[in-house]
Amino acid sequence: DAGVIQSPRHEVTEMGQEVTLRCKPISGHNSLFWYRQTMMRGLELLIYFNNNVPIDDSGMPEDRFSAKMPNASFSTLKIQPSEPRDSAVYFCASSFAAYQETQYFGPGTRLLVL
Amino acid sequence: KQEVTQIPAALSVPEGENLVLNCSFTDSAIYNLQWFRQDPGKGLTSLLLIQSSQREQTSGRLNASLDKSSGRSTLYIAASQPGDSATYLCAVLDSSYKLIFGSGTRLLVRP
Repeated sequence: DAGVIQSPRHEVTEMGQEVTLRCKPISGHNSLFWYRQTMMRGLELLIYFNNNVPIDDSGMPEDRFSAKMPNASFSTLKIQPSEPRDSAVYFCASSFAAYQETQYFGPGTRLLVL
Repeated sequence: KQEVTQIPAALSVPEGENLVLNCSFTDSAIYNLQWFRQDPGKGLTSLLLIQSSQREQTSGRLNASLDKSSGRSTLYIAASQPGDSATYLCAVLDSSYKLIFGSGTRLLVRP
């Protein structure tokens, strides 16, 4: 298996623009997670899905952030409008189940908002 | 609120040395504890997962222990090598199935 796939790997955009990050989980995994990593706050869980259904989005910073999982093999994280403080590395991870299972991380998307 | 702390924040050792990384957490109601490795500019790689009912896990030169009652875990690396240089992250899966991460220990193994 190719592992968790994220695109793009790098994104530079201007403040106010819409940003869409994409993730393809490992085939057969039922849970998908979006994380954000910054120097100041470390790794934080934004949202996770189980069987394509959002279970907990309490980590989503504000209404500018939204996530979808239209099917078992694809998820998006959208920021609209983007702000400089959104600059971070965004990771997607998947696991067979939300609990008691190892999470497998993608390589991340490095986002810079100017 | 669950908080995970890792000590030390950074560590530099000569090659061949055995070393211990520490992780502590404030709420013992966890499902499991995981140790990850992160190389610069890369994603996280899972090293070891210890279920809440287990005391330790071993993989090659790595051994992780868990004392849930005291809220502590250690990662022991035997005979360290320059290729072990990376940031090591500890994370606990809390009662709401969220993975809560520590800030990591940045390890440098000098040749």
